[in-house]
Amino acid sequence: EAGVAQSPRYKIIEKRQSVAFWCNPISGHATLYWYQQILGQGPKLLIQFQNNGVVDDSQLPKDRFSAERLKGVDSTLKIQPAKLEDSAVYLCASSLVPGGAYNYGYTFGSGTRLTVV
Amino acid sequence: DQQVKQNSPSLSVQEGRISILNCDYTNSMFDYFLWYKKYPAEGPTFLISISSIKDKNEDGRFTVFLNKSAKHLSLHIVPSQPGDSAVYFCAAFYGGSQGNLIFGKGTKLSVKP
Repeated sequence: EAGVAQSPRYKIIEKRQSVAFWCNPISGHATLYWYQQILGQGPKLLIQFQNNGVVDDSQLPKDRFSAERLKGVDSTLKIQPAKLEDSAVYLCASSLVPGGAYNYGYTFGSGTRLTVV
Repeated sequence: DQQVKQNSPSLSVQEGRISILNCDYTNSMFDYFLWYKKYPAEGPTFLISISSIKDKNEDGRFTVFLNKSAKHLSLHIVPSQPGDSAVYFCAAFYGGSQGNLIFGKGTKLSVKP
């Protein structure tokens, strides 16, 4: 079974520029999550999709962040304009069972490391 | 307000000894708890979980204990191996079909040969 694919692996941009990250979840996984992990912190949920609908985006800074999951498969997370404090690893995860599952949790991708200078 | 706390940023253990990683939480409504392991430049990988109605779950060298009255859980690794060196995240889940995971800040475990 292929894992969760993310690209790019690394990105360096200047503040006020825009950037986009892509995620392809495990085939058949209806639920997709985007997490932000700042250095020294645990992953923080930004947005959760169930198929192509948003379940929870309460922690997404909507003035600058946007995300979509067209056709209920892959997803794109965008930041425009970026700030210095957006420097972090952006992790995409997916799960077969809505809300995750007790015995295996979510499957995470390797993440995209964003540096804003 | 942190709902899941890992108060030890790092832990160093000798190979073959026991590693104990601790986690505290504040919300008594969490349904289950998970431990994730993360190597540098990789995403977190699921390690072991425990339901809120259990007090112990064991999988090979890994055992998780849950003390609900103290709102505390711990991960025991016995015996510790150098390959166990990684960052360990405690995570808690609640919210049913629309729920999600809340992570602690992680503990970096170093197992020395």
